[in-house]
Amino acid sequence: AQKVTQAQTEISVVEKEDVTLDCVYETRDTTYYLFWYKQPPSGELVFLIRRNSFDEQNEISGRYSWNFQKSTSSFNFTITASQVVDSAVYFCALSEVFYSGAGSYQLTFGKGTKLSVIP
Amino acid sequence: ETGVTQTPRHLVMGMTNKKSLKCEQHLGHNAMYWYKQSAKKPLELMFVYSLEERVENNSVPSRFSPECPNSSHLFLHLHTLQPEDSALYLCASSQELAGGGTDTQYFGPGTRLTVL
Repeated sequence: AQKVTQAQTEISVVEKEDVTLDCVYETRDTTYYLFWYKQPPSGELVFLIRRNSFDEQNEISGRYSWNFQKSTSSFNFTITASQVVDSAVYFCALSEVFYSGAGSYQLTFGKGTKLSVIP
Repeated sequence: ETGVTQTPRHLVMGMTNKKSLKCEQHLGHNAMYWYKQSAKKPLELMFVYSLEERVENNSVPSRFSPECPNSSHLFLHLHTLQPEDSALYLCASSQELAGGGTDTQYFGPGTRLTVL
């Protein structure tokens, strides 16, 4: 069964520090997608990135970067020079293209990592 | 308005009340979703609609009744809820309904529901 583990429940960093949020996934499928979402205190889930299983290139977007490693089934997220506005809960999610069981349209979310950036 | 909007943002209701949550997407998407987010639990998918047709109901109690009158609007009608139904209810939309949820879903801000 598909599963997403975010082992870090809460992380606190001081502003301008770098921080890495871990995501480990399990899937039987060879074709799948991975996502990261940010949920600030306002509640809205903000889409950050979508990556398919055939693209292992790391991605950088401003202060955000993602490290996808199929060998370790990990899709980690790094924020460089963190800012107070980065404080939020971050969710990693997985979807399998050919999954056809119950909940076949469901993104499988991890439990989230709450990041607090202290000024 | 842009993106996905939800109203109301906060709702307090008694167990015998009937209320409705509204979601509207301004993205021209064809698929819409209702999720429930309870404290310390992963997001749970409740319902999925594609082109106004319900394609999935994840064993949700009948006290939750969805309605999708067109591809831009989604409602969740609530009736005789229990205190354990208190949660954040999130609506999402995606361009198409892709197997496994692979099409990127864009979420609204949610409705914080409290059942007394």
